[in-house]
Amino acid sequence: EAQVTQNPRYLITVTGKKLTVTCSQNMNHEYMSWYRQDPGLGLRQIYYSMNVEVTDKGDVPEGYKVSRKEKRNFPLILESPSPNQTSLYFCASSLLSGPGDTEAFFGQGTRLTVV
Amino acid sequence: GDSVTQMEGPVTLSEEAFLTINCTYTATGYPSLFWYVQYPGEGLQLLLKATKADDKGSNKGFEATYRKETTSFHLEKGSVQVSDSAVYFCALRAGRSNDYKLSFGAGTTVTVRA
Repeated sequence: EAQVTQNPRYLITVTGKKLTVTCSQNMNHEYMSWYRQDPGLGLRQIYYSMNVEVTDKGDVPEGYKVSRKEKRNFPLILESPSPNQTSLYFCASSLLSGPGDTEAFFGQGTRLTVV
Repeated sequence: GDSVTQMEGPVTLSEEAFLTINCTYTATGYPSLFWYVQYPGEGLQLLLKATKADDKGSNKGFEATYRKETTSFHLEKGSVQVSDSAVYFCALRAGRSNDYKLSFGAGTTVTVRA
């Protein structure tokens, strides 16, 4: 089954304690990205990757890091989480087969609370 | 930059009612337009899409037409069911080369009552 898998689904942590949210896709997609979802703001892109070892900032990258060492995995790293990073996070992947109409597949989300 | 504005919710309807969610966009060039749906506790999934002016996307009884002259992509369904209760997001992807980011609206929460 084609899917994007994120872990963990729920996470409560304390300010400053480094954490990683994992994301893996089994569709051999080149493009992967992370979004955060906040009430009234929709989803905003944090980082994206066009392929292995190719990553770039999205609209709200401050406080986050990513890596793309393998095509299937795209972890999101919070080196020193702060309460304003409390949010619902989604990983997504898609093919780069054309200039715009490829479907993005989303993971089930990770609800992060930083206290 | 690119942006999407969609009607604020929440929207509460009775079963078999008509649903419309308005969506307008700002973008340069020729974006592709999407509606994504998020059911409770799940990730987003594609509901329908349209890639050029006057295209109509449709799926599960939902429809939306890409109107370039009004920069709109309104979502409609003629007779909603309780199972349509979800959050609906309008989104666009710019038609620029090497730009695959999705720009989302704020989302509209729809609740359908039996």
